[in-house]
Parts: sequence; structure tokens; C-alpha cells
Amino acid sequence: QVQLVQSGTEVKKPGSSVKVSCKDSGGSFSSSVINWLRQAPGQGPEWMGEINVKYDIANYAQKFKGRLTITADVSTSTGYMELTSLTSEDSVIYYCARRGGYMENWLDSWGQGTLVTVSS
Amino acid sequence: EIVLTQSPGTLSLSPGERATLSCRASQSVRSNYVAWYQQKPGQAPRLLMYDASTRATGIPARFSGSGSDTDFTLTISRLETEDFAVYYCQQYASPPWTFGHGTKVEI
Repeated sequence: QVQLVQSGTEVKKPGSSVKVSCKDSGGSFSSSVINWLRQAPGQGPEWMGEINVKYDIANYAQKFKGRLTITADVSTSTGYMELTSLTSEDSVIYYCARRGGYMENWLDSWGQGTLVTVSS
Repeated sequence: EIVLTQSPGTLSLSPGERATLSCRASQSVRSNYVAWYQQKPGQAPRLLMYDASTRATGIPARFSGSGSDTDFTLTISRLETEDFAVYYCQQYASPPWTFGHGTKVEI
């Protein structure tokens, strides 16, 4: 069974960067598509981007292009999301989630979430 | 991008009652590529349904999904205490993959 475990809470200064990790203990990481999403209180999840681990190809939502980088390390079965130029609007919970379908992006396994707080 | 509008915002029901949640898309969703998720406070979303009407692994039969084109529905036939939560629909027909704002099912 896929289990995604994310890194812990982060507190960052405005203008800085944050890097969140997502470790897959399920054993199928190398053939996975790992998505990153974020969620503000009382809102639905917002898709940020994804990485096809096998081909090392990442796709990003237009909104985050230029300040989001998604990577994967097959040797440690860990995915990473790095967001730069942080503002207070980036103070939300970030999730990684695995694509469930072969090509279809429904998300069948989620990490527990990582709270990022941006404050001076 | 496809905008998903969920209604109602809040559904107040009692255990044993039937819940009907709606998700309307701003344009046609090809191949009925709609998923539904349940989220409880402090937890990550949990997949309930994909391809509009296929239950995910381990999801009870009281959950069912239907719909096509722009209108999709999640039905919970008889609410149990553990079903009181927020429910989100998601489309994965056209990137960026988008979610609705959710329907809260409360007692």
C-alpha cells in the first residue's frame, strides 16, 4: 500500500524559499506520478504541479511557473516541492498525492500535509 | 480552465438520511473524468470515487456517483456518523486539474 510521508511544519520569511519532501514507502515510486497541491483554510485543494518520476518530467500550473520546482529522487523514493519568493499568501497546507490512474489524474494516496507559514 | 461549482455549500442532515451533492462544471468534462474526495478536519482528502461512478478501493457501497457532460452527483444513500465531513469534486479531463470549493455535510 502506498504511503506518502511529508516533512514537517515550516516557518519562513517573506521572499525566502521552502522545500517540502514526500517519501513514498509503498515501493512503486519509480513508476509513479506525484502531484503537489495546496489548500487554504475553507477552500478546495489547488493543484500546483506534478512529476512523472519514471521520465523525470514535471508539469506546472501556469500560476506557479517560474517559482515552483518539483523533483524526485528515485534512490530514496522521495519527491520534493520547492517554492520560491514566498509571500503571506503562500501560508497554507501543502500536500503530495499519487496519481491513481495510468494516465488519469485522480489521486488515490495523499501525504499528511505540511503547514508552511510565511511571516516576518 | 474548468471551474467546478459545488452545491449546496452546506447540507444539514441526520444519520440515516440520504445526501445528494452536486458538482457542475463550466464546460464539458470529457470521459466523465470526475473524482470525489472526502476530507475530515485535520486530515488529507481521501479518494471516494473516480471516473464519476467508480468507487475507490475500500469505499462502502452507500457511496455512489453519477453524471456526465457538466453535471455530476455524489450520493450517500444512508448517512453514517463517520460520513459527516467536507466533500470535494475534481476534474482531471483538462489541465490544470481543478477542484470545487466543497460541500460540508453536517449533522
